[in-house]
Amino acid sequence: AQTVTQSQPEMSVQEAETVTLSCTYDTSESDYYLFWYKQPPSRQMILVIRQEAYKQQNATENRFSVNFQKAAKSFSLKISDSQLGDAAMYFCAYRAGTYKYIFGTGTRLKVLA
Amino acid sequence: GAVVSQHPSWVICKSGTSVKIECRSLDFQATTMFWYRQFPKQSLMLMATSNEGSKATYEQGVEKDKFLINHASLTLSTLTVTSAHPEDSSFYICSARATDRGLYEQYFGPGTRLTVT
Repeated sequence: AQTVTQSQPEMSVQEAETVTLSCTYDTSESDYYLFWYKQPPSRQMILVIRQEAYKQQNATENRFSVNFQKAAKSFSLKISDSQLGDAAMYFCAYRAGTYKYIFGTGTRLKVLA
Repeated sequence: GAVVSQHPSWVICKSGTSVKIECRSLDFQATTMFWYRQFPKQSLMLMATSNEGSKATYEQGVEKDKFLINHASLTLSTLTVTSAHPEDSSFYICSARATDRGLYEQYFGPGTRLTVT
């Protein structure tokens, strides 16, 4: 069975600094997608970044980038130049052909002014 | 963009009553919708997969007679919590997979907070 593990329940970062959130997963599939979602206090899930497993190049979206290590089944999120608005719960998610998402337990990110 | 709405955003009901939650894709067609449950400070747990025109597929441990799902059109899925009890109090989130634009992502609704007294 596929699993997603986020080992950091909570992280803090100083405003304008860089922080990395960790995620590991387990699967026997070769074709899948990985996602990072942000859930602010409003509880609306917001897609931050997406990575296709067949792509070797790490995805980037402005201040957000991932370090995708397929062999190690690792998918970390780096947030550069952290802003107060980045404070939220961050969920790592896995999706294979069935389109079902499997979410990690989440990391609460605090941004310190 | 692709917008998913949920109604109501917050509902309070008495124990033993039933409550219906609607999930709508506003600007795209969704043959498949998903229902998740999220307890406070926890992750999203998939409850069931809703397919338009067919029966929903429930995850292991989810009571299909308690959580009735109907996906009657390409833009609407409903979740009915029957004979609700306080332990059913939770945050329910739906997502919809866009299929009419070649998109492959899922779009999440804003969620519904259910409180059973």
